[in-house]
Amino acid sequence: GAVVSQHPSWVICKSGTSVKIECRSLDFQATTMFWYRQFPKQSLMLMATSNEGSKATYEQGVEKDKFLINHASLTLSTLTVTSAHPEDSSFYICSARVTQGVNSPLHFGNGTRLTVT
Amino acid sequence: DAKTTQPTSMDCAEGRAANLPCNHSTISGNEYVYWYRQIHSQGPQYIIHGLKNNETNEMASLIITEDRKSSTLILPHATLRDTAVYYCMAIIQGAQKLVFGQGTRLTINP
Repeated sequence: GAVVSQHPSWVICKSGTSVKIECRSLDFQATTMFWYRQFPKQSLMLMATSNEGSKATYEQGVEKDKFLINHASLTLSTLTVTSAHPEDSSFYICSARVTQGVNSPLHFGNGTRLTVT
Repeated sequence: DAKTTQPTSMDCAEGRAANLPCNHSTISGNEYVYWYRQIHSQGPQYIIHGLKNNETNEMASLIITEDRKSSTLILPHATLRDTAVYYCMAIIQGAQKLVFGQGTRLTINP
């Protein structure tokens, strides 16, 4: 159980276009999901906390107008990279915890590799 | 969250036990030790966590020293598929955010 699914697993887009990444909790509900970014040979960096039914909370240095997060249901959060540029090319990963299980670990999706040309 | 220190890299022979150390000398009483791993080009995978007692599950064992200032993750019979970056974290259970360090890059050699 506790599966987190991301879609797409990889995407290539042209500079200036927008890309939407979906994160779904398949067998549990998650009021909170988290979005991470990982550049090659670096560790994961938390970008933002996605809250169901309310605005996301962004980490310092992350542009909220560039990385739009929508958490419209208890099983789906989306990250939209707007006006993507080559420097946005990265591995984007989401995570979630079973809502009622504060003692349960965070589960991660398998990531989305974004390449902006 | 308490800072953790791990070796940058380690090697282990296939079939042998892989012992990954982690120092967390500033850990507080309500912080748990969590281990995750990340296989190349995949999302992190939860392995195990514990407070002060040793823990074991189907993936690994976690040995925490009595003073809780360090711990060791043990993969009893390492396989090539265990090659990954292993992250040790000390966090309050139920904490919303995880902060990843650089981890230990474990390479299992045939």
